[in-house]
Amino acid sequence: DARVTQTPRHKVTEMGQEVTMRCQPILGHNTVFWYRQTMMQGLELLAYFRNRAPLDDSGMPKDRFSAEMPDATLATLKIQPSEPRDSAVYFCASGPSGRFTDTQYFGPGTRLTVL
Amino acid sequence: QKEVEQDPGPLSVPEGAIVSLNCTYSNSAFQYFMWYRQYSRKGPELLMYTYSSGNKEDGRFTAQVDKSSKYISLFIRDSQPSDSATYLCAMIEWNDNAGNMLTFGGGTRLMVKP
Repeated sequence: DARVTQTPRHKVTEMGQEVTMRCQPILGHNTVFWYRQTMMQGLELLAYFRNRAPLDDSGMPKDRFSAEMPDATLATLKIQPSEPRDSAVYFCASGPSGRFTDTQYFGPGTRLTVL
Repeated sequence: QKEVEQDPGPLSVPEGAIVSLNCTYSNSAFQYFMWYRQYSRKGPELLMYTYSSGNKEDGRFTAQVDKSSKYISLFIRDSQPSDSATYLCAMIEWNDNAGNMLTFGGGTRLMVKP
């Protein structure tokens, strides 16, 4: 049963610290998405990749967030420096990209709390 | 105004009730529509998808799309306590580079009481 994995599942940190979240997409999926979920804003798209190339990161605060795919099995989202308003659940999703009916498969999320 | 509007609830119903969940959208470019279910502290998972106006049925679930009104619904028959979750509608727009791009509603929290 293939699934997207994310680490860590929970992270508590202090304001100003660097946070790195990791995602392993489903093998064979060529698109990877990062979302942030909060009660106020719901699910927001932060960035996405196809074949490891970043296509759009306009949803991310550029000054503090960065997303990369060092290889096909790892996507990272980094926040430096972190702020309390970054507290949210961060989801990674992966999917194929060839058909209208393709969907995105979500990981379990990283719950981030910035104090 | 958000592109996708969804009543956040919570919606509390007794076991066995028929549940109606709804979303409205403003972007005519949305071509496909999906419903995701999200259990507490889990990631969203696809429940149903549909692309044409009308109804699509899958067991106890029926998805309904009215493109002329930009309105979609999800009906759950004979609701069960295990249906208690947050239901997110997702509107799909095709992107030549990344495939399906999803715009989510805010989610409706459903509680089915035994």
